[in-house]
Amino acid sequence: GDSVTQMEGPVTLSEEAFLTINCTYTATGYPSLFWYVQYPGEGLQLLLKATKADDKGSNKGFEATYRKETTSFHLEKGSVQVSDSAVYFCALSVNRGSTLGRLYFGRGTQLTVWP
Amino acid sequence: DAGVTQSPTHLIKTRGQQVTLRCSPKSGHDTVSWYQQALGQGPQFIFQYYEEEERQRGNFPDRFSGHQFPNYSSELNVNALLLGDSALYLCASSRGAPNTEAFFGQGTRLTVV
Repeated sequence: GDSVTQMEGPVTLSEEAFLTINCTYTATGYPSLFWYVQYPGEGLQLLLKATKADDKGSNKGFEATYRKETTSFHLEKGSVQVSDSAVYFCALSVNRGSTLGRLYFGRGTQLTVWP
Repeated sequence: DAGVTQSPTHLIKTRGQQVTLRCSPKSGHDTVSWYQQALGQGPQFIFQYYEEEERQRGNFPDRFSGHQFPNYSSELNVNALLLGDSALYLCASSRGAPNTEAFFGQGTRLTVV
């Protein structure tokens, strides 16, 4: 079946440090891959996405590349800020007919950035 | 653009009661999905509505039911509440097309006591 395995946290970094959060997936079809971010007390916000192999999604300094050969979609940022502190979720969906397929989420990684 | 709106934001119910949660999708979106997020976990898919019909369903019991209205808004109903139903319930909307993305509301925090 379809699933996502995400590096478990928590992850604690100093400001301006390099961030990597690992994510690997299993899918029966050709999934789209996503990273969502959840700030305290809020819903999920889409951070970036990639819809086919070798695509790179990027937003707000975050990047992730869709690697079909390693079934991975690792999230990276070169220099984190205190404001990046949040929970990050890796997710996939496989389209079903004409509608967006259900999202399968990882368990989330709590990131805390200290000044 | 108001985005996805959910109501209420918080709710406290007693075991055995029934609850209805509401969701208005983002403008231009016609597909609504519901997710349950337990504390410290990733969201779990409950079901998806498109053209007023349930199109996909996750591994949730029949106590969880839903509805979509002609204006694309949706309701999630949970009967015979259990303590384990306490969670953040998230609504996501998307366009009825492949390779689109889902936009989430702020969620409804349900506490069952």
